[in-house]
Amino acid sequence: GAVVSQHPSWVICKSGTSVKIECRSLDFQATTMFWYRQFPKQSLMLMATSNEGSKATYEQGVEKDKFLINHASLTLSTLTVTSAHPEDSSFYICSASQGAGNTEAFFGQGTRLTVV
Amino acid sequence: KNEVEQSPQNLTAQEGEFITINCSYSVGISALHWLQQHPGGGIVSLFMLSSGKKKHGRLIATINIQEKHSSLHITASHPRDSAVYICAVGANDMRFGAGTRLTVKP
Repeated sequence: GAVVSQHPSWVICKSGTSVKIECRSLDFQATTMFWYRQFPKQSLMLMATSNEGSKATYEQGVEKDKFLINHASLTLSTLTVTSAHPEDSSFYICSASQGAGNTEAFFGQGTRLTVV
Repeated sequence: KNEVEQSPQNLTAQEGEFITINCSYSVGISALHWLQQHPGGGIVSLFMLSSGKKKHGRLIATINIQEKHSSLHITASHPRDSAVYICAVGANDMRFGAGTRLTVKP
């Protein structure tokens, strides 16, 4: 299957700092990328959908000014957690798709963020 | 009520056993996914299906659109199959089930 690379795989940061997570599609052009968050022992929750070259669409309850998403190219989307707090500690996963509709999405390896 | 319900939540099996994990959903869908999440958190997409049945190695996934139900079967289970299996509905912006934690003992 197609490969999606997410980096870093884990990160520890201090409260108040910002953290950037990258999601790259290595062997296909991802017109749409998705960002998910998973708290311990809970299901994945969609945070936002980003289409290349346009603003991300955020799910209800997700602060767009706190979770900045940039999808500037067909192979790269970034999620920046700004002014991180301990409650932002979570597992963040991206997925990428070649297009809208019934096309398969491929997942990154995930990033475990710990804010201390 | 969750849009996607999985059962069982936890499943322990002996190596070699046939395993079934069920998924029911309450929304109209264009596709259903079965995902495998390993202890480190990484996710692998096992199947995407919108009708019928798909098979890959020892894994089989079926879906009944009318009944809004899907099953994931693992034949001849092995300890390396131990993982969390997640059902998700939607083509891209998926809604996820809570997952089934499978432990296969040698």
